[in-house]
Amino acid sequence: DAKTTQPPSMDCAEGRAANLPCNHSTISGNEYVYWYRQIHSQGPQYIIHGLKNNETNEMASLIITEDRKSSTLILPHATLRDTAVYYCIVRVENSGAGSYQLTFGKGTKLSVIP
Amino acid sequence: KAGVTQTPRYLIKTRGQQVTLSCSPISGHRSVSWYQQTPGQGLQFLFEYFSETQRNKGNFPGRFSGRQFSNSRSEMNVSTLELGDSALYLCASSLGQGAGQPQHFGDGTRLSIL
Repeated sequence: DAKTTQPPSMDCAEGRAANLPCNHSTISGNEYVYWYRQIHSQGPQYIIHGLKNNETNEMASLIITEDRKSSTLILPHATLRDTAVYYCIVRVENSGAGSYQLTFGKGTKLSVIP
Repeated sequence: KAGVTQTPRYLIKTRGQQVTLSCSPISGHRSVSWYQQTPGQGLQFLFEYFSETQRNKGNFPGRFSGRQFSNSRSEMNVSTLELGDSALYLCASSLGQGAGQPQHFGDGTRLSIL
């Protein structure tokens, strides 16, 4: 399975863009990059995912490098409510059964500072 | 659209007892996965069900079992509870099993073993 590497923590000023990096240098061509976040005592919240192209939704943008070895999650205008642990996950097929479990690492703790 | 609903939210049991946790997926979602989250081990995959069949299983003992009903609702059972089973148990649902189908999580059941 492709593994991901994220910085353990980051700070961002409120109102500024938060750019969260993720390295996945062993990613294969059919493996998706997913981003989730988890606020204390809640379940992980899906943010965005992509395969090759950059993606944008109402929450964030996902920039994937051309070689797909790294990606960046961008929260355009961070608020205090964006303080959370952010997980970058490469989702792979398991056991040939068409099953794609999520394997969570330790993530990046983002602190949005007033 | 209602999200993933897990019941109960909190549960206290003693060693040796058994417990059943319930998960109602998002309407129309057919795949349900279960995860265990502890401070030491992080988020770990338990199993996945699709069309009432277990499609994938994580590295947990046989005391952990589950099932899925025809309406896609799922239950997870843990027998002979141990202190180490204290954790947040999370359920996630997705439309299908494909790698491009995001999983959406509930807020979990917090199980405490005394």
